[in-house]
Amino acid sequence: EVQLVESGGGLVKPGGSLKLSCAASGFTFSSYAMSWVRQSPEKRLEWVAEISSGGSYTYYPDTVTGRFTISRDNAKNTLYLEMSSLRSEDTAMYYCARGQDSSGYDYWGQGTTLTVSS
Amino acid sequence: QIVLSQSPAILSASPGEKVTMTCRASSSVSYMHWYQQKPGSSPKPWIYATSNLASGVPARFSGSGSGTSYSLTISRVEAEDAATYYCQQWSSNPRTFGGGTKLEIK
Repeated sequence: EVQLVESGGGLVKPGGSLKLSCAASGFTFSSYAMSWVRQSPEKRLEWVAEISSGGSYTYYPDTVTGRFTISRDNAKNTLYLEMSSLRSEDTAMYYCARGQDSSGYDYWGQGTTLTVSS
Repeated sequence: QIVLSQSPAILSASPGEKVTMTCRASSSVSYMHWYQQKPGSSPKPWIYATSNLASGVPARFSGSGSGTSYSLTISRVEAEDAATYYCQQWSSNPRTFGGGTKLEIK
């Protein structure tokens, strides 16, 4: 059974940093591109990062470029999202998701919550 | 970026009714993916590549469309279909989602 389990969320002050983790199991992690998708309190979904299966390629939308870094450790079956210069608008539930263009996001974790507030 | 506009924002239907929700893209996309989300849960894959039902999705659901216009149809709505449905495109970066259609059952 495919499982994606996020952790690391919390309350952070504006300008602060945080690192999220996503532990994957039930599939060959190193064979799949992985992404982070967030959902705002208003329930809007936004893709925030993607990394290729081997980790060589990363992609971000303009809203987080330069502030967020996605990475992975295929030996540990773990995906990461390092976030810095956090803003109130980064407050959201952050989901780890497996996906590709032909299938969309076919597995999602349960999410971890980030709140950016002073 | 490609903006996805979903309509209606809220759809109210009685059990047994046929319903259709639409997703319009600001530029042409190759295909559309759809997700179902219920309160307190993660989004679930529902329809992929425009018309393919994800595993476990009832046959009363169907998807269609091309170019800039896509739709999700439920042939006979059931109470368990109450949820928010989101469309999503993967044709260009950034990947984008629609704002969702909330289906309410009367």
